[in-house]
Amino acid sequence: ETGVTQSPTHLIKTRGQQVTLRCSSQSGHNTVSWYQQALGQGPQFIFQYYREEENGRGNFPPRFSGLQFPNYSSELNVNALELDDSALYLCASRPEGAGNTQYFGPGTRLTVL
Amino acid sequence: AQKVTQAQTEISVVEKEDVTLDCVYETRDTTYYLFWYKQPPSGELVFLIRRNSFDEQNEISGRYSWNFQKSTSSFNFTITASQVVDSAVYFCALSFNDYKLSFGAGTTVTVRA
Repeated sequence: ETGVTQSPTHLIKTRGQQVTLRCSSQSGHNTVSWYQQALGQGPQFIFQYYREEENGRGNFPPRFSGLQFPNYSSELNVNALELDDSALYLCASRPEGAGNTQYFGPGTRLTVL
Repeated sequence: AQKVTQAQTEISVVEKEDVTLDCVYETRDTTYYLFWYKQPPSGELVFLIRRNSFDEQNEISGRYSWNFQKSTSSFNFTITASQVVDSAVYFCALSFNDYKLSFGAGTTVTVRA
């Protein structure tokens, strides 16, 4: 048990729609990151938040945005969904003092039709 | 550029055989961190081990062992006496002080009874 939960488990959207994915981690996990994992590939870094501020971003367009809240929850928002956005979205959190180790949630599988 | 290569796409073994997963990384940085994660069919990434660049000591944990060699930029992972429950996708990953994880493409391990 990593203490990282994600909702929903599965989601189906149509092209052009907007989606919000949610993640909740344990108290003291001040860093949260989001990753996109397309089928058959390794996870790709989307962005990272530390104490509610974005402090790192991967090669993803601005329609991917996020928020982190004081209660250690966070959101990933994707606007204008495209078919290629179909993937498993993973949230990871890092407790203070854990070095670089990140603990992942079970993921949200997004299907865009 | 930082890069992680897992040359083996799939490995299939019979139960009780040993299996070694290769990971080769590229970086110019002197401080970095290497990880192995396991992803069972459920999708959640399970943390297995972290090694920092200053610690080349090999490690054994139960049936798992890791061989870190800076001279060849490799961080290989061996499962001894494999079991069906070891069937999963295994990812090698690299990070730096910004905590962002760069993953390899993964190796699918299938252990047959």
